[in-house]
Amino acid sequence: QQQVKQSPQSLIVQKGGISIINCAYENTAFDYFPWYQQFPGKGPALLIAIRPDVSEKKEGRFTISFNKSAKQFSLHIMDSQPGDSATYFCAAEISGTYKYIFGTGTRLKVLA
Amino acid sequence: DAGVIQSPRHEVTEMGQEVTLRCKPISGHDYLFWYRQTMMRGLELLIYFNNNVPIDDSGMPEDRFSAKMPNASFSTLKIQPSEPRDSAVYFCASSDTGRPDQPQHFGDGTRLSIL
Repeated sequence: QQQVKQSPQSLIVQKGGISIINCAYENTAFDYFPWYQQFPGKGPALLIAIRPDVSEKKEGRFTISFNKSAKQFSLHIMDSQPGDSATYFCAAEISGTYKYIFGTGTRLKVLA
Repeated sequence: DAGVIQSPRHEVTEMGQEVTLRCKPISGHDYLFWYRQTMMRGLELLIYFNNNVPIDDSGMPEDRFSAKMPNASFSTLKIQPSEPRDSAVYFCASSDTGRPDQPQHFGDGTRLSIL
């Protein structure tokens, strides 16, 4: 079954803390794993993405860790800021289709 | 550059009425995607087009849903007749080549409420 499971559903972090969101998949026919950030009333916007042949990718305060054998990947937000408060979605692209399967989302709130 | 433009932003209509959602993709983008977002089912791909041609409509829930892309700068998603369970936020997205490492750019969505 093509499914991406995301946890936690919601997350509250103090300013300056680390936010960690996890995703897991079962189908191995995925070959691209983006993370999207969505603010209220807006569409999702690409935050960072990784291919399965890479174990980690870092862009500024955002890092994706990818464990291919465990079929898990996670987003780490270092030095979390109130402006990071948003809903985060992981996704996986079905090989050769351009179709994304999205996780159910994590609502992050960073306290000032 | 202008992003993906969707209209209307909000739509409230009664059950049984026809609903038409509109999307203008980013100029030059070859791929256009329609998604539906609900609390229960999250973000679901309904259909996508390449060069105005529908490629995969397996996510379209029922025959009541139809989508067209008459030209490279315009697409519609139509629901006829509409039902309360169609209430959701509908997003349109476009991408340059459709390659997975080319991001999909989303519009701000149409919030649809069917009474």
